[in-house]
Amino acid sequence: NAGVTQTPKFRVLKTGQSMTLLCAQDMNHEYMYWYRQDPGMGLRLIHYSVGEGTTAKGEVPDGYNVSRLKKQNFLLGLESAAPSQTSVYFCASSSSWTGSTDTQYFGPGTRLTVL
Amino acid sequence: AQKITQTQPGMFVQEKEAVTLDCTYDTSDPSYGLFWYKQPSSGEMIFLIYQGSYDQQNATEGRYSLNFQKARKSANLVISASQLGDSAMYFCAMREMNTGFQKLVFGTGTRLLVSP
Repeated sequence: NAGVTQTPKFRVLKTGQSMTLLCAQDMNHEYMYWYRQDPGMGLRLIHYSVGEGTTAKGEVPDGYNVSRLKKQNFLLGLESAAPSQTSVYFCASSSSWTGSTDTQYFGPGTRLTVL
Repeated sequence: AQKITQTQPGMFVQEKEAVTLDCTYDTSDPSYGLFWYKQPSSGEMIFLIYQGSYDQQNATEGRYSLNFQKARKSANLVISASQLGDSAMYFCAMREMNTGFQKLVFGTGTRLLVSP
């Protein structure tokens, strides 16, 4: 049981390049999330998904797109990377929204640098 | 308006002593949950403890306890008998239950350093 995994762990992009971050979970969770973590700002929600085939915008969605074609996978795409997107990206998943104690479980993070 | 406030950028504690990490929150939703996560230098986010707004007792998980003062809107994390491995960033987070989605809002974190 690997929990939440993310690939790649590190990536360096040039401005304008595109890439996709992959998140996979093996806990059969309905909900999945993408966050970014910047120094001094905590984690901020980019996009989320409440089930296969659904996605929604979070707090800072601009410049990102997501897809949830399979329940276990949640992809985060950068179509044209900008230096402002240099950050650490975390994926998380959780089982339901009705259970008050259901917590989000996080992946190990992806450190992205855009030059 | 910032919903989660962690006013201590850094804290120091000696091994085996207790330490309190502060967290205050702001919400008009009567139903909410409060979480603490630990982020060691390796980077992963580790769930530590949860407190629901209607829970009568303060949450405890091993050496971690949550000092929940609802009227003051504070949810401080208490770590007893600190260990060197407790050195990490600690994040407080809140989820408002009536938003229709369990979005977590995080504070900016407190860096804890445990010295021998």
